[in-house]
Amino acid sequence: DVKVTQSSRYLVKRTGEKVFLECVQDMDHENMFWYRQDPGLGLRLIYFSYDVKMKEKGDIPEGYSVSREKKERFSLILESASTNQTSMYLCASSPDRRRDAGELFFGEGSRLTVL
Amino acid sequence: AQRVTQPEKLLSVFKGAPVELKCNYSYSGSPELFWYVQYSRQRLQLLLRHISRESIKGFTADLNKGETSFHLKKPFAQEEDSAMYYCALSSILTGGGNKLTFGTGTQLKVEL
Repeated sequence: DVKVTQSSRYLVKRTGEKVFLECVQDMDHENMFWYRQDPGLGLRLIYFSYDVKMKEKGDIPEGYSVSREKKERFSLILESASTNQTSMYLCASSPDRRRDAGELFFGEGSRLTVL
Repeated sequence: AQRVTQPEKLLSVFKGAPVELKCNYSYSGSPELFWYVQYSRQRLQLLLRHISRESIKGFTADLNKGETSFHLKKPFAQEEDSAMYYCALSSILTGGGNKLTFGTGTQLKVEL
């Protein structure tokens, strides 16, 4: 069973704080993703990575950065949190096998509230 | 750029009634489409993919390239089908890997 684990289920931070969201997967997947999930807006891709030390901007990268130093770990960083970054953050991974392209395995989510 | 549209935020049906969740897409390449589902207090998970042409939990979805649609259907709704459903489009990256673009989701509520 593929397991994607997000370190924090709930976080409350203050405006301007630096926030780290950690994600670990145990299935040796090449691809990892960070999405944010907002009511009425669905899932929007923030950043993704298809290899160690590789990163690509998604659709809404502003205000975020990422780090992938090891294959199994993909971190999302909010350098200076703002209230409009209050959201549910979902990490996902997928194998880089053509036949499984598009099958993402998701973590349980990290609900971030910025005050 | 790829785009996925789910026109309904909420769909409410009675148990035993047919269900159709709408999904339209725009994509210049050959599309690969998926339906994901999120049950209450569970993680988002894959329901089905168009290339498999399979029925999962009684749900089916047919890709209609002429209408650029991938609607999710079930002939008889069950209470346990109540969930959030997302349609998603896969695009292959030139550098390798793939990424999914999701729609805004449709909340299905099955009433007794």
